[in-house]
Amino acid sequence: DAGITQSPRYKITETGRQVTLMCHQTWSHSYMFWYRQDLGHGLRLIYYSAAADITDKGEVPDGYVVSRSKTENFPLTLESATRSQTSVYFCASSEKGNQPQHFGDGTRLSIL
Amino acid sequence: SQQGEEDPQALSIQEGENATMNCSYKTSINNLQWYRQNSGRGLVHLILIRSNEREKHSGRLRVTLDTSKKSSSLLITASRAADTASYFCATDDGSARQLTFGSGTQLTVLP
Repeated sequence: DAGITQSPRYKITETGRQVTLMCHQTWSHSYMFWYRQDLGHGLRLIYYSAAADITDKGEVPDGYVVSRSKTENFPLTLESATRSQTSVYFCASSEKGNQPQHFGDGTRLSIL
Repeated sequence: SQQGEEDPQALSIQEGENATMNCSYKTSINNLQWYRQNSGRGLVHLILIRSNEREKHSGRLRVTLDTSKKSSSLLITASRAADTASYFCATDDGSARQLTFGSGTQLTVLP
């Protein structure tokens, strides 16, 4: 079925560890986004990508790395996790950057 | 920084009543969008209104846009318990490359 899927749905890890969150979309949308959602902050953009091999920083990129070797995948890596990165992470895609975005159901990440 | 800010932060109404949420933004936009988020789920797009439009309808949803005041409102008529969710406005900054989301309004519809 067409859609956008995130994995894992839940993840617990320790500070200093590397963790990768996966995002896969089947629409062949050009744009993909990573957000984090924290109480009191709404959604904040971490990174986005306009096409394969093109990525740009969002509002809160520090501590995160992204890549987009294929149009359908957009993994987000925390190279050395910190407690402040405990959050719910959402991936989204859209045909153009300011058009309606389709969201995955999120990854709830806890860093101990 | 937040481009869109919703008001109120929380709203509780009885089933059948109308719910109105407001969004204010800071810079010029190409369009403004509203999304709904049910607990534990991702956001779902509801409606998009372009900067040259003043009002748009979709089922029980009515969105207005006042670019002179840099504000928008979302009206949900005849609310249902299933409308209980958080509602977010999102604006582009004119770059057409990304959206900025507000902090959301938590709507509770009591049966």
